Amino acid sequence: QSALTQPASVSGSPGQSITISCSGTSSDVGSYNLVSWYQQHPGKAPKLMIYEGNKRPSGVSSRFSGSKSGNTASLTISGLQAEDEADYYCCSFAGSRTWVFGGGTKLTVL
Amino acid sequence: QVQLVESGGGVVQPGRSLRLSCAASGFSFRSYFMHWVRQAPGKGLEWVAVISYDGNEKQYADSVKGRVIISRDNSKNTLSLQMNSLRVEDTAVYYCARVTGYDFDSWGQGTLVTVSS
Repeated sequence: QSALTQPASVSGSPGQSITISCSGTSSDVGSYNLVSWYQQHPGKAPKLMIYEGNKRPSGVSSRFSGSKSGNTASLTISGLQAEDEADYYCCSFAGSRTWVFGGGTKLTVL
Repeated sequence: QVQLVESGGGVVQPGRSLRLSCAASGFSFRSYFMHWVRQAPGKGLEWVAVISYDGNEKQYADSVKGRVIISRDNSKNTLSLQMNSLRVEDTAVYYCARVTGYDFDSWGQGTLVTVSS
């Protein structure tokens, strides 16, 4: 149950696009199309932004998209807005009814 | 409207026990797997435990296995986490979360557990 690997921080200017990577193993990310992404603003609970790798819950902006290649999943945010500044976490089902989160990425909108 | 409200957090000495609760409302509680996820101060999210609809299936993270017990009371729409032999490294905000499919689609506001002598 080792944490998935995310960059500690990423940044971008308003209107730009950024991508956050989430690296796992063949036991978690690589084995299942069950990666989800969460946005967390300071002092708040996490919010589901992407599920099953590339699906958006109702109400989540189409500027958020997800993808996966091999053992690495990615979250892309296009048309960056100030309100996107937050921490982002990936999560993968890891089999045997266990889940694993990434270490989190702090997104700064310049 | 889905609502999850955690309670039971506080300051506890190492080696002692604490019981967290999560009151659920606004959805059919008995129809969902439920989880506990924690977040140490300034750190990332860590999955802790899961329980099935009827409470018959449970699974735990290695970091807490043998020290915590997840349970639920579907008649009271309540999820619980009994935490024993607490360690300093268990200090965190503990969230209860509902899962739809394999994704955490609803979260409580969290309850802070501080383990300190």
